[in-house]
Amino acid sequence: EAQVTQNPRYLITVTGKKLTVTCSQNMNHEYMSWYRQDPGLGLRQIYYSMNVEVTDKGDVPEGYKVSRKEKRNFPLILESPSPNQTSLYFCASSSPEDSYGYTFGSGTRLTVV
Amino acid sequence: GEDVEQSLFLSVREGDSSVINCTYTDSSSTYLYWYKQEPGAGLQLLTYIFSNMDMKQDQRLTVLLNKKDKHLSLRIADTQTGDSAIYFCAETLGGGKLIFGQGTELSVKP
Repeated sequence: EAQVTQNPRYLITVTGKKLTVTCSQNMNHEYMSWYRQDPGLGLRQIYYSMNVEVTDKGDVPEGYKVSRKEKRNFPLILESPSPNQTSLYFCASSSPEDSYGYTFGSGTRLTVV
Repeated sequence: GEDVEQSLFLSVREGDSSVINCTYTDSSSTYLYWYKQEPGAGLQLLTYIFSNMDMKQDQRLTVLLNKKDKHLSLRIADTQTGDSAIYFCAETLGGGKLIFGQGTELSVKP
């Protein structure tokens, strides 16, 4: 089944403790992206990647890092999480062959206390 | 700049048509999309339209694009309770950057 898999689904952590949210896709998509969803703000793009070793900042990159060492994986790294990063995070992938329409993962609900 | 605006709520009766509206500001957008998000779930791509098209129909869904006014709409015919969800419009310039609106919460009453 074609899908984007992110882990974990839920995570509670403390301020300053480094964490990584993993994302993997099995569709051989070139593009991958991370979004955060907050009430009243819709989805905002954190980082995106157009191919291996190519990443670009989205609208809200501060406090986040990403890497794209392999085509299928695009982990999101929070080096020093803060409470304002409490949010619902989505990973997504797409391809020009799909008219760039992103396929989304199920989401990771992160709480930073 | 890039910005996508939607009204936040829409309530309709089962069997009626729903029309969800969206305005965007970047005239160089190549594709525009409609996504659906059900409670507790990720986003599901419903349909998209290429910027050189005016209309696209897909079963109960009709997308209208007015490039002059930078206005996009999604019409759902014969709306059902299962259509209750949040609907997002989004635009892309063709690269990996995708800009979403705030989402319209559609409530369908029996």
